[in-house]
Amino acid sequence: DGGITQSPKYLFRKEGQNVTLSCEQNLNHDAMYWYRQDPGQGLRLIYYSQIVNDFQKGDIAEGYSVSREKKESFPLTVTSAQKNPTAFYLCASTEQPGLAGREQFFGPGTRLTVL
Amino acid sequence: SQKIEQNSEALNIQEGKTATLTCNYTNYSPAYLQWYRQDPGRGPVFLLLIRENEKEKRKERLKVTFDTTLKQSLFHITASQPADSATYLCASSTDSWGKLQFGAGTQVVVTP
Repeated sequence: DGGITQSPKYLFRKEGQNVTLSCEQNLNHDAMYWYRQDPGQGLRLIYYSQIVNDFQKGDIAEGYSVSREKKESFPLTVTSAQKNPTAFYLCASTEQPGLAGREQFFGPGTRLTVL
Repeated sequence: SQKIEQNSEALNIQEGKTATLTCNYTNYSPAYLQWYRQDPGRGPVFLLLIRENEKEKRKERLKVTFDTTLKQSLFHITASQPADSATYLCASSTDSWGKLQFGAGTQVVVTP
């Protein structure tokens, strides 16, 4: 089955720790995205990548880092510099996007809680 | 700044009625709007895309309209069913990177 997987589903972090969220897709999509979702708010873009070895900051990149060493993988690291990391994190991918629009395919999400 | 807004109040509707959700955008002209469905604790699922030169799009019991004069999209669920209960998100983009800006979503609750 083609799709996007995220792991783990739930993650608990102590203050001061870095944690890495996994995102893998087997859809052969070029672009991948990381969003953060907080209660009552829309999805906010953290980072995105159009191609391997290239990525761009989104609207709320501070305290996060990413890598794109393989087309199918786009891990997100939540660093200790992120002041309020408790949230629901969503990974998405799309075929080569353009102005005509491309739907984004989302993973099941990772819920991160800081203890 | 560019904004996309949805009615934050939950929409409670009786089974069989039509649910109508609103998405308004300001300070930009999106080339298209997308609608997604999100169930609790899960990732959004794409439903429909409507382009700026299209007035209306349909898919089964779903209908989307796009009014560039009013800067608004309406999303209709006809003959609603309890299984339609979810949060519905609208999203748009004006750049070629495919970056989407999402509204906060409107929760729909369909009661039997």
